[in-house]
Amino acid sequence: QVRLKESGPRLVQPSQTLSVTCTVSGFSVTSYHVSWVRQPPGKGLEWVGAIWKGGSTDYNSALKSRLSISRDTSKNQVFLKMNSLQTDDTGTYYCAKGTGGWGYFDYWGQGVMVTVSS
Amino acid sequence: DIQMTQSPPSLSASLGDKVTITCQASQNINKYIAWYQQKPGKAPRLLIRYTSTLESGTPSRFSGSGSGRDYSFSISNVESEDIASYYCLQYDNLWTFGGGTKLELK
Repeated sequence: QVRLKESGPRLVQPSQTLSVTCTVSGFSVTSYHVSWVRQPPGKGLEWVGAIWKGGSTDYNSALKSRLSISRDTSKNQVFLKMNSLQTDDTGTYYCAKGTGGWGYFDYWGQGVMVTVSS
Repeated sequence: DIQMTQSPPSLSASLGDKVTITCQASQNINKYIAWYQQKPGKAPRLLIRYTSTLESGTPSRFSGSGSGRDYSFSISNVESEDIASYYCLQYDNLWTFGGGTKLELK
């Protein structure tokens, strides 16, 4: 049974770094890519970045300078780090499993709501 | 980067109506488009992949079509459980979501 679960701080101060963990089960992060998607309150979905099964990464060009995605294959975990946070980074952060190739997202975590505020 | 223009941003329908949402890509995406349903407080749910292939469990009243840059998603005979937001996703080159469509009851 495929499952993804995000964990991380609910409140982050402006200019600080966000660190969120996606723990997956039912598949290996070395077999499928995993993406991060975020959603500001009341707004639409935005693809943030991805880590491929081979370990390489791709990032949303608008966020690339602030992003780092990595993984721990022994724990089947994927990590998102975003620095220099601002209030408009507030939102729900989801991790999602990709299918083969570029692939759409077939399974999603429940998301973690992160508020950027002092 | 590929841009996805989704319309309309909101839609009001009566039960039993047929509704259609469109997504236009900034370039040919070779039918690599998926459609998701999202209810408040929930993660998106995959409904359709590769333009028109219904995911297992997706009711047959949902459908998708299109090619090149232009794609559409329809719900025939809208039911109360269909009240949600809908998003297109291109996966031809990296990933881009459309802006979303909020479906409400008239």
